[in-house]
Order: sequence, then C-alpha cells, then structure tokens
Amino acid sequence: DGGITQSPKYLFRKEGQNVTLSCEQNLNHDAMYWYRQDPGQGLRLIYYSQIVNDFQKGDIAEGYSVSREKKESFPLTVTSAQKNPTAFYLCASRSRTGDYEQYFGPGTRLTVT
Amino acid sequence: QQPVQSPQAVILREGEDAVINCSSSKALYSVHWYRQKHGEAPVFLMILLKGGEQKGHEKISASFNEKKQQSSLYLTASQLSYSGTYFCGTETPTGTASKLTFGTGTRLQVTL
Repeated sequence: DGGITQSPKYLFRKEGQNVTLSCEQNLNHDAMYWYRQDPGQGLRLIYYSQIVNDFQKGDIAEGYSVSREKKESFPLTVTSAQKNPTAFYLCASRSRTGDYEQYFGPGTRLTVT
Repeated sequence: QQPVQSPQAVILREGEDAVINCSSSKALYSVHWYRQKHGEAPVFLMILLKGGEQKGHEKISASFNEKKQQSSLYLTASQLSYSGTYFCGTETPTGTASKLTFGTGTRLQVTL
C-alpha cells in the first residue's frame, strides 16, 4: 500500500532537547511538506522541499530544521530554539505532475515539558 | 497571507445543507478542500484547478470563482459522518515553488 508514514505517533521530550520527527513516503512524490497545527487552529507551513537536496522555509521555520537526502524521506528536527514546540505535526507529499492531490501522513503529537 | 474561511463554525441537523466559503486576497491557481476529524490527518475532498470549475463527490461539491478569488464548498443532505473541520488550501501561481496555504478552518457539527 502506498502512503506516508510518520513516527512516532506520540512523542514526549524535556525542554531544551532537540527532537527529530520522521516522515517517509512511498508514493514517488517529488514534493514534501511539514505543517504545524495548534489546537483549534489551521495548518501552518514550516518547511517544504520540491526535489532532493533542496528545501525552502515556510511561514514559521524559526526553531526548525530539515534535510532531504532521499526522495522518500523528509525528517524534521525541532530544536531547543523553538519557543513553543508542543503541537501536532503533519507531513505531506505531492506529485509535481498529473495528480495534484496533497496526501497527509497520520501526524505526530509532540509534547515538550 | 492566509485565506479567510466563513463561517467559523456551523451546527446542522442531519439532512440539512451547508455552504463553506474560502476567500483569498491573492490570485489563485488552485483551491484544495480537506476535512479533518479530531486528532486525525486531513483527508482530501477535491481540487479545483480552473476558474469557474465545479466538482462533485456524492453530496459534496465545490465551485471556484477565479475572478473573485473565492471558492465555496457545498454539503447537501448532510450526514453525521460529515462532522469535522473543513479547510481550504490555496495555491498561488508562483512558478515552481508549489505550496498550499490553508485557511483557519470551519468546524461543522451534524446532529440527529
């Protein structure tokens, strides 16, 4: 089955620690995205990547970093510089041709105390 | 800039209709509609790529007015399963940097 996987589903960390969220897709999509969602809020774009070894900042990139070394993988690191990291993080991918639908992974709920 | 959705919330009785609007201050290339259940990932409903294009999926359809930079989602004869938060995602014609900007959502609750 093709899709996007994110792990873990729930993640707990202490303040001051960096944490990396995993995102893998087997849809052969070129573009991948990371969004943050806070309770009762919409989706805000953190970073996105159109091709391997290239990525761009979204609207709220401060305190986050990404890498895109493989087409299938787009991990997100939440650094200690992120002031309020507790949130629901969603990864998505999309084909750049033909089917324009953006598919979402199941999400990771990060809690930092 | 984030597209504006209206209404922010709506409560329906099963079988009633609803319209959710999405308005952008920028010229749009496409509009995507998603539904999200609590604690889950957004689920794709439909995409509208051309101005004036209307699409339908069972009792859920949408329209896109390119000139007015607006899209509307129509839910007819609502079912309990329609409950959730609806988001529009808009895409502007910015060359190859394709990305969606999402609205703040419309919370829909369908009751018996």
